[in-house]
Amino acid sequence: DIQMTQSPSSLSASVGDRVTITCRASQDISNYLAWFQQKPGKAPKSLIYAASSLQSGVPSKFSGSGSGTDFTLTISSLQPEDFATYYCQQYNSFPITFGQGTRLEIK
Amino acid sequence: EVQLLESGGGLVQPGGSLRLSCAASGFTFSSYAMSWVRQAPGKGLEWVSVISNSGGSTYYADSVKGRFTISRDNSKNTLYLQMNSLRAEDAAVYYCAKAPYSSSWASFFDYWGQGTLVTVSS
Repeated sequence: DIQMTQSPSSLSASVGDRVTITCRASQDISNYLAWFQQKPGKAPKSLIYAASSLQSGVPSKFSGSGSGTDFTLTISSLQPEDFATYYCQQYNSFPITFGQGTRLEIK
Repeated sequence: EVQLLESGGGLVQPGGSLRLSCAASGFTFSSYAMSWVRQAPGKGLEWVSVISNSGGSTYYADSVKGRFTISRDNSKNTLYLQMNSLRAEDAAVYYCAKAPYSSSWASFFDYWGQGTLVTVSS
C-alpha cells in the first residue's frame, strides 16, 4: 500500500496568513493526488485534484503543486471559514489511501 | 445541486450485519462510479470499496474483503453497502463519495455525503 504522510499534523495561524501543508507519498504517484477539507460534522469538500487542478467552485486562494512523491497545498489570506482539517489522498493505485490530516487552527 | 444522503447506520453486535444506503440526487447517478470511505472516531480516513457506474466492477480494501458487499440500484439512484461479520474495528462514520468518472478505477472524489455512524459493540 502507498503510505501518505502529511506535515505538520497541526498548524496554528492567524486570519490573513498564508500557510503551506505538505504531503509525501511512499512511492511515485505521478500527479494522482487530491486535497480536501473537512469541518466537524460536515461532509468533506473536494478542493484540488491531479495535484494542482482546482475543483469547480473552489476559490483561487487554494493552490496545489508537486508530482512524484512530494506535494503541497497552499492557502493564501486565511479567513475564519478556512480553519478546518485538510487531507491529501492518492489515487494512483488501489487501495486508495489518505494522509493522516492537518488540523488548521486559529492562533 | 449534488446531494448524497447516507442512512442505515446504528448499533450492532460483533458478528452482526448492517446495510447502509446512500441516496443520490442532483446528477446522473448511473453515469458515475461510487465509493464508500470510513472514518473511525478520532482517526483518519480509510477507503472501503468502489463500484463502477454499471455495477459490473467492484474493488474492496483488504480489511473488508469477503465481509462487505457494495452494490447499486441505478433505477433508485441508490448506493448500498452490505456489511456482514462486523467487528469492533469496523465502527466508524461511513461516507459515500462520488467519483468524477464512470470507471471503477482508483479516483478522487468530487462530492461526499455527511456520513452515517456505525457502532459495533455488545
